[in-house]
Amino acid sequence: AQSVTQPDIHITVSEGASLELRCNYSYGATPYLFWYVQSPGQGLQLLLKYFSGDTLVQGIKGFEAEFKRSQSSFNLRKPSVHWSDAAEYFCAVVFSGGYQKVTFGTGTKLQVIP
Amino acid sequence: DTAVSQTPKYLVTQMGNDKSIKCEQNLGHDTMYWYKQDSKKFLKIMFSYNNKELIINETVPNRFSPKSPDKAHLNLHINSLELGDSAVYFCASSQGGQSQPQHFGDGTRLSIL
Repeated sequence: AQSVTQPDIHITVSEGASLELRCNYSYGATPYLFWYVQSPGQGLQLLLKYFSGDTLVQGIKGFEAEFKRSQSSFNLRKPSVHWSDAAEYFCAVVFSGGYQKVTFGTGTKLQVIP
Repeated sequence: DTAVSQTPKYLVTQMGNDKSIKCEQNLGHDTMYWYKQDSKKFLKIMFSYNNKELIINETVPNRFSPKSPDKAHLNLHINSLELGDSAVYFCASSQGGQSQPQHFGDGTRLSIL
């Protein structure tokens, strides 16, 4: 069965520091990959997506992610974190072909300290 | 304009009651979803409708019954509420099914006393 793992439950970074959030998925057919962000009291908002093509994708709010097939990973990065980036981040995967169902990771809570 | 709107935002009720949550999207999407997010933020899909037709029905108790009167609306009715139903319920929509990006509502926080 498809699965998504976000190894880090909680990450704390200083404002202005770089950020990398990890996401690994179980091996399967070509995946569609997503990163969403959830601010307190709100729904999830799409940051970026990967379907095919260039493995480095740019998203909103200065985020980017890189798809590495050999490592089954889709890590989210930001060169310089802002206090407003404090939120919960979710990786999601859909495998192409057949019965398509989205699976979300368990989330990573990002805390930003001044 | 709110793209995906849910009502109510908060729902506090007692065990055994029946309640409904409404969802509307104005994005013209053909697929709508209900998710449950538990206290540990784990997000699990419950139902998916495409053009008013049920596509996905995960292992959800049959006390939960979705209803889609048209493409823009997907309501969730819950009978005989139990303590374990306490969670945040999210409605979402997408164009073209689950392989496409989803737009989420702000959630309905259901608390069972």
